[in-house]
Parts: sequence; structure tokens; C-alpha cells
Amino acid sequence: NAGVTQTPKFRILKIGQSMTLQCTQDMNHNYMYWYRQDPGMGLKLIYYSVGAGITDKGEVPNGYNVSRSTTEDFPLRLELAAPSQTSVYFCASLKPGTGVSGANVLTFGAGSRLTVL
Amino acid sequence: GESVGLHLPTLSVQEGDNSIINCAYSNSASDYFIWYKQESGKGPQFIIDIRSNMDKRQGQRVTVLLNKTVKHLSLQIAATQPGDSAVYFCAENPPQAGTALIFGKGTTLSVSS
Repeated sequence: NAGVTQTPKFRILKIGQSMTLQCTQDMNHNYMYWYRQDPGMGLKLIYYSVGAGITDKGEVPNGYNVSRSTTEDFPLRLELAAPSQTSVYFCASLKPGTGVSGANVLTFGAGSRLTVL
Repeated sequence: GESVGLHLPTLSVQEGDNSIINCAYSNSASDYFIWYKQESGKGPQFIIDIRSNMDKRQGQRVTVLLNKTVKHLSLQIAATQPGDSAVYFCAENPPQAGTALIFGKGTTLSVSS
């Protein structure tokens, strides 16, 4: 299994441009998430999905959109890139209760580093 | 909003020492707590989890302690090695977050040999 795969790894955008960060997982997990990580900070939840066709906002959804047409894929779209969206973006998936104590253990991708200039 | 935080942003230790990384959480209703390790340029990797009805769980070279009275979580790493150098995050799963995790800011552990 490849796990969670994110593309691209790096991208530089100009203000106002749009782009899509791709995320795919091959573990047949229903739950998927997008987080952003700013320097020196923890991860903030942008959007999540509990299954194909279902998405919901997280803590910091403004400026982003998502779709979930299949179980495997959960792309994140930036419509009008702004400098405040410069960050590292992580996609994750989950099979509930897989921790040793029953916790919801997210499996993360390697991240996509986005710079908006 | 409620969040999970860590006491110290950085921790430097010598190889072979024991490391203790601390975390204070604010949501007393969280049922699970998880520690993640993030190496440079990589995504967070699961280390160990603990349920709120426990106060200690041990893994390979790691121990997590949970003190619900003071809402404190710690990760102890025995015989710290250079490969343990990374950023460590604690995360919680409060009921209002559904299946998502809420992360603290992280502690950077530096191990010198």
C-alpha cells in the first residue's frame, strides 16, 4: 500500500492564481482530512469528509474548496491564492478506532508546500 | 476555542538521556490522546495513543502519561537517540470534533551525540 499520496510536493503561486492540491489514498478509508501547518504552529483542520459525496468545514475553511467524488480522492482547491495561504498542507485518512487504545489514528501524507507571492 | 498546547517549543538533550515532552490540554471531554512525531520534510507519524480511562501506556522506548486532574499529558522517550530528533505533537479527539484531531503547537526535540 502506498498510503496517502499528495501532489505536488512544492508549488509557487502568484496572488490570485488558482490551483488544486491532489490527495489519494489506497487504504479504502472513508474518512479524509485536509490540514494546514504554519511555521511553529500545530495543524489546523481545513475541511474533512466522512465518505464519498460528503464534505464539511473544519476550523479554517475560508479560501478553500473540496470535493469527494470517490473514496480514494480528496482534492483541495484554492480559487484565488493569497499570501496568507502560504503554508504546508497535509492530507490524512482514517479508519476509526485503529489506535492501540481505540483512538482515531490519522495516517498523513508527506505534505505539499505552497508559497503564494 | 479549546485546543491542545505544549509547554516548551524546544527541548535539547544528549544521546542516551531520557526525554520528557509535556502537553497541556483544555477539553476534559476528550476521550483519546495521541502523540505524533514529525521529521523534517515529512508528514506526522503516529507514535502512541492513550484513552482517557487510563493513566499510563507503554510502547517501545516510549511511555505516555495522562493526568486528568490537571489536564496534562506527557511523552517520555527512554535512551534518546539522534533519530528521535523531530517535532512532537500531542493531539486530542474532543466530541465536538467528530473523528478529527485537534493538535497542539509542537515541541522540537534536538538530540546531540
